Amino acid sequence: DTAVSQTPKYLVTQMGNDKSIKCEQNLGHDTMYWYKQDSKKFLKIMFSYNNKELIINETVPNRFSPKSPDKAHLNLHINSLELGDSAVYFCASHNPGTGWNFGQGTRLTVV
Amino acid sequence: KQEVTQIPAALSVPEGENLVLNCSFTDSAIYNLQWFRQDPGKGLTSLLLIQSSQREQTSGRLNASLDKSSGRSTLYIAASQPGDSATYLCAVTNDYKLSFGAGTTVTVRA
Repeated sequence: DTAVSQTPKYLVTQMGNDKSIKCEQNLGHDTMYWYKQDSKKFLKIMFSYNNKELIINETVPNRFSPKSPDKAHLNLHINSLELGDSAVYFCASHNPGTGWNFGQGTRLTVV
Repeated sequence: KQEVTQIPAALSVPEGENLVLNCSFTDSAIYNLQWFRQDPGKGLTSLLLIQSSQREQTSGRLNASLDKSSGRSTLYIAASQPGDSATYLCAVTNDYKLSFGAGTTVTVRA
């Protein structure tokens, strides 16, 4: 059973389109996150939700909107995609006792 | 703002040699520190988690130490194998956030 799963794994789309990435965790963790890994492989936090409430919102364009229907799901919707949005997006969940678990990543390519 | 630095950025060793990967962080008020492995084009695999109250963790050939007061952690990999080739990432938790270093890319030559 995959602890943190995200779909799709690959996403190729044209500039200006709107797309969503879904994430689900079956670990019972209260806190979920979205991270972005850029072309230089550096991982940077975007958003965090704790039990469906937004607790961290880093400096991210408002074209990016996270949505958490329940504490096991955190989806990422991106409007008006731009070339610079191309990256790998990782979903993660956290429990203070057991640490962090990451999904396998979604490689987004905007053409 | 937490800054995490990993040295060296890249490392190439012959098979069988021990590996030493260093990580430093600027804000010592961390909750925990976690080492991850990332293979090319893949996700992150957790290797070791060290809580702030602990000084080290071991798993098989891997041993990680934590000196919170000096803001340092070291990951030791004993008797390296070609399968250990990957990027190793150090990350610390403060204020609900996980901050990553840029990683050390390891190549183990057969």
